[in-house]
Amino acid sequence: DVKVTQSSRYLVKRTGEKVFLECVQDMDHENMFWYRQDPGLGLRLIYFSYDVKMKEKGDIPEGYSVSREKKERFSLILESASTNQTSMYLCASGVDNTEAFFGQGTRLTVV
Amino acid sequence: AQSVTQPDIHITVSEGASLELRCNYSYGATPYLFWYVQSPGQGLQLLLKYFSGDTLVQGIKGFEAEFKRSQSSFNLRKPSVHWSDAAEYFCAVGPKTSYDKVIFGPGTSLSVIP
Repeated sequence: DVKVTQSSRYLVKRTGEKVFLECVQDMDHENMFWYRQDPGLGLRLIYFSYDVKMKEKGDIPEGYSVSREKKERFSLILESASTNQTSMYLCASGVDNTEAFFGQGTRLTVV
Repeated sequence: AQSVTQPDIHITVSEGASLELRCNYSYGATPYLFWYVQSPGQGLQLLLKYFSGDTLVQGIKGFEAEFKRSQSSFNLRKPSVHWSDAAEYFCAVGPKTSYDKVIFGPGTSLSVIP
């Protein structure tokens, strides 16, 4: 089975902190994605990557950056956390455009 | 503009009853269509997908969905709901070229009464 693992299920951070959300996949997938999930809004794409050291902005990249130094790992970085970044963050990976496999999510609270 | 609508924010059904979750979309061409399920505290799992061919698609966990081009709809159905089906359901649409353009609907929350 494909496994996408997010390092934390729950995080509480203070406003202004630098926050790292880590995601690792074990299926040698080329494509990796970071989404933000908010009630009533579904999933919104923050950043994606189709190769090592490659990154592209999604629909809501402001306030976020990413890093992909190895194929299996895709990190989401909040440079200076703000309360409006309190949300559920979902990482996903895939091999083509027909499906994505999701991690269990990280619920981030910024206080 | 491209969009996905799930008209029902929340649905409650009795265990054993039938279920239909609605999904309508606005898209320039016939897209790829997906239904995902998110159980409490979990990530999303793909239930089924439609790319072409037979408009009635079978998925996992006893779910099926029907693509109706004339109505721009892709409704999800299950003949008999189990308590374990209580979850959030997301419809999604996207182009045939890249997954980063997939648009997710707002979700429908399903509660099941024993």
